[in-house]
Amino acid sequence: ETGVTQTPRHLVMGMTNKKSLKCEQHLGHNAMYWYKQSAKKPLELMFVYNFKEQTENNSVPSRFSPECPNSSHLFLHLHTLQPEDSALYLCASSNRASSYEQYFGPGTRLTVT
Amino acid sequence: AQKVTQAQTEISVVEKEDVTLDCVYETRDTTYYLFWYKQPPSGELVFLIRRNSFDEQNEISGRYSWNFQKSTSSFNFTITASQVVDSAVYFCALSGSPGGTSYGKLTFGQGTILTVHP
Repeated sequence: ETGVTQTPRHLVMGMTNKKSLKCEQHLGHNAMYWYKQSAKKPLELMFVYNFKEQTENNSVPSRFSPECPNSSHLFLHLHTLQPEDSALYLCASSNRASSYEQYFGPGTRLTVT
Repeated sequence: AQKVTQAQTEISVVEKEDVTLDCVYETRDTTYYLFWYKQPPSGELVFLIRRNSFDEQNEISGRYSWNFQKSTSSFNFTITASQVVDSAVYFCALSGSPGGTSYGKLTFGQGTILTVHP
């Protein structure tokens, strides 16, 4: 595969469930990002990982827990979410956490019931 | 703080018309980077262009062209002879300069929904 892949593409979960979103990049990049895209709101940066180290947490609630085991993989662990967390979650990667362009995956459409 | 404004929420055109998407930004950085992304219905953001603030040359790529004007803090995007496949949401984004707090972090505008009718 090429580019940035995300699984699952769609997820419906109850507020008491625990689930994880997965992102994998095949571009040889060393920085990865999680974004949240809600209806009627701009894309919001959630987390930044640079060489597997978290360099940014944009005041994200603790019910979202990221994990970056290596430069190619990024996870977002979800637990006790709220209905307002329903959104499209986008993963991106770039060549260093710099102003190089970021390449995005197709996103996971999350619905919290 | 950085800010990107895309005042046009939705634009509707007929195929073969030219269309310009506006983008105005605010930043205190002396050097910065501007981007345009396309988001088709599939959801994936597709990178279109990156522009450095110290390079004010306009750029053309096929039917796409970008007009960067530092004096008015604008980075507008024009599609010439639009096609139905151009229908998507288009985002303008800004990233700060090295050493700044916004370096490497994209600030996105609200997006412009472009619909091209046959």
